[in-house]
Amino acid sequence: AQTVTQSQPEMSVQEAETVTLSCTYDTSESDYYLFWYKQPPSRQMILVIRQEAYKQQNATENRFSVNFQKAAKSFSLKISDSQLGDAAMYFCAYRSAFSGSRLTFGEGTQLTVNP
Amino acid sequence: DTAVSQTPKYLVTQMGNDKSIKCEQNLGHDTMYWYKQDSKKFLKIMFSYNNKELIINETVPNRFSPKSPDKAHLNLHINSLELGDSAVYFCASSQPQGLGESDTQYFGPGTRLTVL
Repeated sequence: AQTVTQSQPEMSVQEAETVTLSCTYDTSESDYYLFWYKQPPSRQMILVIRQEAYKQQNATENRFSVNFQKAAKSFSLKISDSQLGDAAMYFCAYRSAFSGSRLTFGEGTQLTVNP
Repeated sequence: DTAVSQTPKYLVTQMGNDKSIKCEQNLGHDTMYWYKQDSKKFLKIMFSYNNKELIINETVPNRFSPKSPDKAHLNLHINSLELGDSAVYFCASSQPQGLGESDTQYFGPGTRLTVL
């Protein structure tokens, strides 16, 4: 079974600064997908960014980018120019390409943005 | 226009009762899911339906029974509620893509269930 680990329960960043959230995963599969979801206090789960494992190029979405290291099974999220609205719980998630569409989530990282 | 909606958003009930949570998506997706988020914010899949057919059934007590009357709806019925069932339940939907492409799961707002 796949597992996803987020080793940072809490992180904080100053507004306008850059922060990196860590995620590692364990799998024996070669084809899979990785996601970062954001959960603000409103409780809504919002997709931030996704990465296909077969793609070598790191995904980017505006101020959000990932550092995908397939050999190391690492998938970190970098948030540039942090804004107050980025404060939320961030979840890393794994989805196998072969065994159905379930998402396996990490434990989450609570991000605080300080003004 | 809400893409994935759940009702109710909050549910407070007594132990032993039976309750249902409804989920509807207007995205035209074929696949729907139920996830449970516990008090430590950990999210775990419970069920998945594809075109009204059950495809994922995790180790969930038999007291939990999903029902999909059509592919736009996936309801969750819980019998004999226990204290440990208190959690936030999320519905989600996605549309399977072609080989090599990942579908994105869109989540509902969640239902906070409190069992007293």
